[in-house]
Amino acid sequence: KQEVTQIPAALSVPEGENLVLNCSFTDSAIYNLQWFRQDPGKGLTSLLLIQSSQREQTSGRLNASLDKSSGRSTLYIAASQPGDSATYLCAVRDNQGGKLIFGQGTELSVKP
Amino acid sequence: EADIYQTPRYLVIGTGKKITLECSQTMGHDKMYWYQQDPGMELHLIHYSYGVNSTEKGDLSSESTVSRIRTEHFPLTLESARPSHTSQYLCASTQSDVATNEKLFFGSGTQLSVL
Repeated sequence: KQEVTQIPAALSVPEGENLVLNCSFTDSAIYNLQWFRQDPGKGLTSLLLIQSSQREQTSGRLNASLDKSSGRSTLYIAASQPGDSATYLCAVRDNQGGKLIFGQGTELSVKP
Repeated sequence: EADIYQTPRYLVIGTGKKITLECSQTMGHDKMYWYQQDPGMELHLIHYSYGVNSTEKGDLSSESTVSRIRTEHFPLTLESARPSHTSQYLCASTQSDVATNEKLFFGSGTQLSVL
């Protein structure tokens, strides 16, 4: 059974710092991996999607990498801003039923 | 970007009531999902549908039911709400399409409180 783990559970950084969020998964037979952002009490916003054949995706200050063989993905946020404060979730889609399995998320706080 | 709508945004209801959480999307996506999320916890899949008249239970056991009579509409129903049903319910959709890599889009969620 696929399990997705995110470390750390919470992270607090001063504004301007570069940071890395980690996501690991137990079964490397994935279709894709997606990073989401969730603001308190709201739905999820998709940030980046990496296909299983890809190594990384970039969007603005965000860069997501995927190492399928080791079951790891990282989300790099450059020059963090207070507006980046949110919970970041990674989710993997399996090759079989197409269901998305979520990690528990990393709660990020960027202090001005 | 896909547009996916959930209503109501917040719902406070008494035990034993029947409720329906609405979810609609306007992009013609064939796949739709319901997730349940408790505060600070991960999302759990409770129902999904890969097309009209097709529904399946997810990984987390749920007393709710769903229907998919129209492509754009995927309502979730609780016949008799209980306090244990208090949670946030998130609806999502995607299109089976290699070009889009099946990127998932979420609604804003319904926060349900059963008293």
